[in-house]
Amino acid sequence: DGGITQSPKYLFRKEGQNVTLSCEQNLNHDAMYWYRQDPGQGLRLIYYSQIVNDFQKGDIAEGYSVSREKKESFPLTVTSAQKNPTAFYLCASSIGGGPINSPLHFGNGTRLTVT
Amino acid sequence: LAKTTQPISMDSYEGQEVNITCSHNNIATNDYITWYQQFPSQGPRFIIQGYKTKVTNEVASLFIPADRKSSTLSLPRVSLSDTAVYYCLVSNRGTGGFKTIFGAGTRLFVKA
Repeated sequence: DGGITQSPKYLFRKEGQNVTLSCEQNLNHDAMYWYRQDPGQGLRLIYYSQIVNDFQKGDIAEGYSVSREKKESFPLTVTSAQKNPTAFYLCASSIGGGPINSPLHFGNGTRLTVT
Repeated sequence: LAKTTQPISMDSYEGQEVNITCSHNNIATNDYITWYQQFPSQGPRFIIQGYKTKVTNEVASLFIPADRKSSTLSLPRVSLSDTAVYYCLVSNRGTGGFKTIFGAGTRLFVKA
């Protein structure tokens, strides 16, 4: 079945450490996205990529970095510069050009806890 | 950018029709409206998308008035498994790139 795989489901890190969250898709989608979700809040866009080797900052990119070396993969690194990294991170993809006329397909998320 | 406002929560009973309204007063000409459903510890799932008037698919209907300042997601004959959070999304490609705004979501609780 086609879909988006995020791993791991739960991740624990010590403060001051960088951590990389994995996102892989086999939907042959051009665009990929990273969102952050905090309790009681909606999703906020961190980074997005519409094509390989290119990505753009979203609304809350500070303290995060991404790469898009392959169409299928869009890893997110949460750096030590991110002030409040504990959150639920969601990866998504779409056929192309953003979710306008192109719905987002989400993975099941990675819950990151930093202590 | 258009900000969305939804009711925080709603209760319903099995078999009833549920209507969830999203307000987006500052919606732009090229904005589309999309609704997603999310269960705990899962990613959101696409329900329906529209630009104006009415859109219907096998699970829901979306009503958008002429001024497009609000939209209503209609779920016919809900069941217990429809208990979830429903998000209204207004999206467009703003200057300099793509922008998206998710509302805070409406927590729907369906009772037997």
